[in-house]
Amino acid sequence: AQSVAQPEDQVNVAEGNPLTVKCTYSVSGNPYLFWYVQYPNRGLQFLLKYITGDNLVKGSYGFEAEFNKSQTSFHLKKPSALVSDSALYFCAVRTFTGAGSYQLTFGKGTKLSVIP
Amino acid sequence: GAVVSQHPSWVICKSGTSVKIECRSLDFQATTMFWYRQFPKQSLMLMATSNEGSKATYEQGVEKDKFLINHASLTLSTLTVTSAHPEDSSFYICSARDMGLAGVADTQYFGPGTRLTVL
Repeated sequence: AQSVAQPEDQVNVAEGNPLTVKCTYSVSGNPYLFWYVQYPNRGLQFLLKYITGDNLVKGSYGFEAEFNKSQTSFHLKKPSALVSDSALYFCAVRTFTGAGSYQLTFGKGTKLSVIP
Repeated sequence: GAVVSQHPSWVICKSGTSVKIECRSLDFQATTMFWYRQFPKQSLMLMATSNEGSKATYEQGVEKDKFLINHASLTLSTLTVTSAHPEDSSFYICSARDMGLAGVADTQYFGPGTRLTVL
């Protein structure tokens, strides 16, 4: 079964420092991977995705993610964290359900707190 | 980027009543929409997948007669919680798929969510 794991429930980082939110995947075949961010009482906002091509994917709000096939990882990164980046981050993988249909399977989420 | 709206953003209702939640894709057509439920501090749980013009596909354990889904057009899907009970209180989030390039690079965009409280 296709799945993603986010090993950290919470990540704390000081404002201005680089941040990393970890995600590992388990899929058969080529993975389609996504990162979303959720602010309190809001829906999810799309940040970036990896389908194919360059391993370093650049997304919204200065975020980027590196696809690493050998380590089966897709960690989310940002060079300099902002307090406004504090939110819940979800990694997701596209899961094919048959007959040409697919859906997203989410990790449990990682709460990022950026400390002023 | 693509925008998905949801209405209402929050609703409080009495036990036994029905509540309808609308999900619209504002600047793209979505043949497929999804309905999720999220409990506090937890991930999203897929409830059902709806395809325009056909019946929704429900995930295991989700009562189709209780959570009625209609996807009448390429920009609108509705979720009706029938005979709501306090245990149905939750945060409901819809998502619409923007097909993008030949269905390969498509992305799911999410609505802002609806907070349902059943008294």
